[in-house]
Amino acid sequence: GENVEQHPSTLSVQEGDSAVIKCTYSDSASNYFPWYKQELGKGPQLIIDIRSNVGEKKDQRIAVTLNKTAKHFSLHITETQPEDSAVYFCAASGVYKYIFGTGTRLKVLA
Amino acid sequence: DAGVIQSPRHEVTEMGQEVTLRCKPISGHDYLFWYRQTMMRGLELLIYFNNNVPIDDSGMPEDRFSAKMPNASFSTLKIQPSEPRDSAVYFCASRTGPSGGGNEQFFGPGTRLTVL
Repeated sequence: GENVEQHPSTLSVQEGDSAVIKCTYSDSASNYFPWYKQELGKGPQLIIDIRSNVGEKKDQRIAVTLNKTAKHFSLHITETQPEDSAVYFCAASGVYKYIFGTGTRLKVLA
Repeated sequence: DAGVIQSPRHEVTEMGQEVTLRCKPISGHDYLFWYRQTMMRGLELLIYFNNNVPIDDSGMPEDRFSAKMPNASFSTLKIQPSEPRDSAVYFCASRTGPSGGGNEQFFGPGTRLTVL
């Protein structure tokens, strides 16, 4: 069945360093790839997304890259800050359904 | 807009009891999704509706689970009878249709369910 693998499951970085989270999807029909941030006790919130006809997208300190041939996509956070600490989820979507990755708990150490 | 609204935020019940979770989607959104989040299984899609009609319920775990959307502004997820393994955080999300231009699903704050 459809599957999204996400790595690493936990990631600790020093404040100011970069963080990279990687995902791999199985369904070649997927054409939309959102990234969600979930803070403790809250629902997931979209932070950036990318469509299959784009290879890279950037929004301030956050960027996402997509390699459709390899079915890989990655989230890059530069100049990390303590408020970036949260759980991050990738997802792959065809028409309407999201298949989520298992999440990455990011800790930014001050 | 107030965003997606869910109630209750926390629910503690005893095994065998009926549980009803409620969701109000963002006004104008045509699609509504119910998810379950656990440590073991992550975020799982249970069911989604389009214009109040269930489209895909393949994620509903058992017949004990049922979901309804009687109108565009209200949906319920019911568990009857509840079991301890149903303990999880349940999220509701909504989004516009293709004509709305976006793919983003907007999540509510979730309902934390504990079944004793």
